[in-house]
Amino acid sequence: QQQVKQSPQSLIVQKGGISIINCAYENTAFDYFPWYQQFPGKGPALLIAIRPDVSEKKEGRFTISFNKSAKQFSLHIMDSQPGDSATYFCAASTTGTASKLTFGTGTRLQVTL
Amino acid sequence: NAGVMQNPRHLVRRRGQEARLRCSPMKGHSHVYWYRQLPEEGLKFMVYLQKENIIDESGMPKERFSAEFPKEGPSILRIQQVVRGDSAAYFCASSDRAANTGELFFGEGSRLTVL
Repeated sequence: QQQVKQSPQSLIVQKGGISIINCAYENTAFDYFPWYQQFPGKGPALLIAIRPDVSEKKEGRFTISFNKSAKQFSLHIMDSQPGDSATYFCAASTTGTASKLTFGTGTRLQVTL
Repeated sequence: NAGVMQNPRHLVRRRGQEARLRCSPMKGHSHVYWYRQLPEEGLKFMVYLQKENIIDESGMPKERFSAEFPKEGPSILRIQQVVRGDSAAYFCASSDRAANTGELFFGEGSRLTVL
């Protein structure tokens, strides 16, 4: 019940295209859903995050869509650029003193010229 | 403001030796998390600590692994009697609040190779 399932495992998108990564969760107690971006040899860095009281959040070219009833959320990268090539992780967390992030398995995105 | 500092960045150990990984959180951060990343896999939670306290160690293997975050100094992840399956990247993250309310800042990781 603590799992976060992420797909696809890898994704190739042409420059200027839209990259879409999907995640699904089971634990209805999750109330915080961040996306992290990781470049090779580096640690993950927060990209954008959403809470269940909104269905969409947009920051620049990055948008999270959230579907509470389906227990799914997705990351859309508009006008994808070669510099976006990285591994993306979705995550989820619950409120509580022992709060921790549960991560998806990651999506390796490659944006081609 | 320096980021989360992890050392060593790379560590090679032979089977049976001990590995000690250190993490200095960002200044002002009192919440520290350790995650393990196996090749081609996601990050698996290991342990969540606040100063001098282990809050959640549900992701820690029951044997050979221990973690601490003393009042002074860095957080330490200790792996005793390492085995080949311990080879992984170990990431430390810190925050000024619990993980569901604020951003976790990750270090660049410590990559452990067990020969």
